[in-house]
Amino acid sequence: EAQVTQNPRYLITVTGKKLTVTCSQNMNHEYMSWYRQDPGLGLRQIYYSMNVEVTDKGDVPEGYKVSRKEKRNFPLILESPSPNQTSLYFCASGILRGGGEKLFFGSGTQLSVL
Amino acid sequence: AQSVAQPEDQVNVAEGNPLTVKCTYSVSGNPYLFWYVQYPNRGLQFLLKYITGDNLVKGSYGFEAEFNKSQTSFHLKKPSALVSDSALYFCAVRDRNTGFQKLVFGTGTRLLVSP
Repeated sequence: EAQVTQNPRYLITVTGKKLTVTCSQNMNHEYMSWYRQDPGLGLRQIYYSMNVEVTDKGDVPEGYKVSRKEKRNFPLILESPSPNQTSLYFCASGILRGGGEKLFFGSGTQLSVL
Repeated sequence: AQSVAQPEDQVNVAEGNPLTVKCTYSVSGNPYLFWYVQYPNRGLQFLLKYITGDNLVKGSYGFEAEFNKSQTSFHLKKPSALVSDSALYFCAVRDRNTGFQKLVFGTGTRLLVSP
């Protein structure tokens, strides 16, 4: 089954404790992206990757890191989480094809930073 | 810059009645427009898209959307709402001359269909 898998589904942590949210897709998609969803603000892009070893900042990259060492994986790293990073996070993937794009989303990771 | 507005935080409709979820957009060139739906505790799912051609686009689950260039709108519609349509709906846009990575989402509209 074609899917984007995120882990963990829920995460509670404390300020400053490094964490990683994993994302994996089995569709051989070139494009992957991370979003955060906050009430009243919709989805905002954190980082994206056009292919292996190619990553770039989205609209709200501060406090986050990513890596793309393999095509299927795109982990999101919070080196020193802060309470303002409490949010619902989504990973997405898609094929880079002009006009034909369609994003596939993971089920989300609800992060709480205390 | 690209932007999209969903003016209603919530839309309430009775089952069996037609529904409309509004979306207006702003791009400098020609738009690619999308609707995604988010069911509780799930990720977003693609519903439909407008790329070019017919202004009326049909998508999944009986939904359709009409592209109106003069009004810069892309409203989502369904002739007869179901309780199971209750979800959060997101409109998204990108300029045809920008890349996939420039897709911008609206703030979302919660649709509540009552029995």
